[in-house]
Amino acid sequence: NAGVTQTPKFRILKIGQSMTLQCAQDMNHNYMYWYRQDPGMGLKLIYYSVGAGITDKGEVPNGYNVSRSTTEDFPLRLELAAPSQTSVYFCASRRSAEAFFGQGTRLTVV
Amino acid sequence: TQLLEQSPQFLSIQEGENLTVYCNSSSVFSSLQWYRQEPGEGPVLLVTVVTGGEVKKLKRLTFQFGDARKDSSLHITAAQPGDTGLYLCAGTSSNDYKLSFGAGTTVTVRA
Repeated sequence: NAGVTQTPKFRILKIGQSMTLQCAQDMNHNYMYWYRQDPGMGLKLIYYSVGAGITDKGEVPNGYNVSRSTTEDFPLRLELAAPSQTSVYFCASRRSAEAFFGQGTRLTVV
Repeated sequence: TQLLEQSPQFLSIQEGENLTVYCNSSSVFSSLQWYRQEPGEGPVLLVTVVTGGEVKKLKRLTFQFGDARKDSSLHITAAQPGDTGLYLCAGTSSNDYKLSFGAGTTVTVRA
């Protein structure tokens, strides 16, 4: 009964380093999303995907990249980490109305 | 760009009082959802509304979708400390697959 699984849960990066945030879902959902959430705020859409091989930009895509080679996986790549990317990142998937979220990845860039 | 505006941003009330949170947009949504998020967790769906004018009740929570499908409200009757959390509205439009969120309303219910 995994749902949406995100790894890692926590990460500290130095400025300029790169990393990939992993997201996997086992519900065979077509739509997947990456959001970032700053303290006390709502979720800002970074990228989304409507199916394997199809991705599109959200509200705040700069500094990030995604790929969707399979239905299950939707990794988010940070190429040159900056302090402004310090945030909590959530991955979500949905088939119809309800979105299911992972537990989040707390990223700090120092 | 779909812009969802929530108000108020913060709400602190005494146990037993009522509260209303609003979600407004200039865009028409095919569906609008309300989520509740607790610290350290991802948002969890409370309700989805799809028909203009629709009213849904979930125990002490009442959700309403505006007739024009551009706005929604969440009303909590006799709030309890367990209602404390961040309430988020989110919407999808018929011409794309984005799920956009408002900035959220932080609700604190004092015992």
